[in-house]
Amino acid sequence: QVQLVQSGGGLVQPGTSLRLSCAASGFTFNGYPIHWVRQAPGKGLEWLSYISFDGSNKYYADSVKGRFTVSRDMSSNTQFLQMNSLRAEDTAVYFCARRDADLGYMDVWGKGTTVIVSS
Amino acid sequence: EIVLTQSPATLSLSPGERATLSCRASQSLSSYLAWYQQKPGQAPRLLIYGASNRAPGIPARFTGSGSETDFTLTISSLEAEDFVVYYCQQRSSWPITFGQGTRLEIQ
Repeated sequence: QVQLVQSGGGLVQPGTSLRLSCAASGFTFNGYPIHWVRQAPGKGLEWLSYISFDGSNKYYADSVKGRFTVSRDMSSNTQFLQMNSLRAEDTAVYFCARRDADLGYMDVWGKGTTVIVSS
Repeated sequence: EIVLTQSPATLSLSPGERATLSCRASQSLSSYLAWYQQKPGQAPRLLIYGASNRAPGIPARFTGSGSETDFTLTISSLEAEDFVVYYCQQRSSWPITFGQGTRLEIQ
C-alpha cells in the first residue's frame, strides 16, 4: 500500500527547533519530488516547501524561508522538514505530499503531524 | 505570487443538487490547476489535475473545467459525503498557492 508515514510533531516553545519526518511506504522516494503543506487550526492550506526527486532543487514559501529546511535521506526512504526559530504562528498540522511525476500534482499525502508552538 | 480566489466561501445545497465552485487566478495559469477535497481531520485528496483531468479513482460526478484565470469544479449530483471543503491549487509558478477553500454544506 502506497503511503507516507509522518512523525515528529509536538509541543515546543517559541524560538526552538523541531524536525518532522515523512517516510515512504510501498514505494521509494526516488523519482518523486515532495511537498510540505501546513494547515493552521481552522484555516486553509498553506504550501511551505518543495524538494526535487534528487534533492537538487528546493523551494520555500516566504513565510518559512531561512527558518525551515527540507532534506531527504535515500538510504532510509525518508524526507525531513527541519524547522528552526519556531513562532506561535507556525502552530499547525503539517502534511508531506508526493508529487506524482505523470499527474504533476500532490497525489499521495501523509496523515499530518501536529506542531504546537507555545510557551 | 499568484493569488487564487475561491467563491463562494460557503455553498449551501441539498443532496442530489448540482454544485458549481469557482476558482479565479490573479494571472494566467494555462491549465496548471488542481482541485482537492478535504474531509474533517483528514489530509486533502486530489480530485482534478490539469484543470480538467479526473484523478484515478475519482467518481465521474466530479468535473473540472476552465483555463487561464477562471476555473470551475462541478459536482453533478451531490452525495452526503461531498459536503466538505474544496481547495484549488496552482503550479504555474513558484510559490505554489492554494485558494482559501469553499465549504459545501447541507441546506
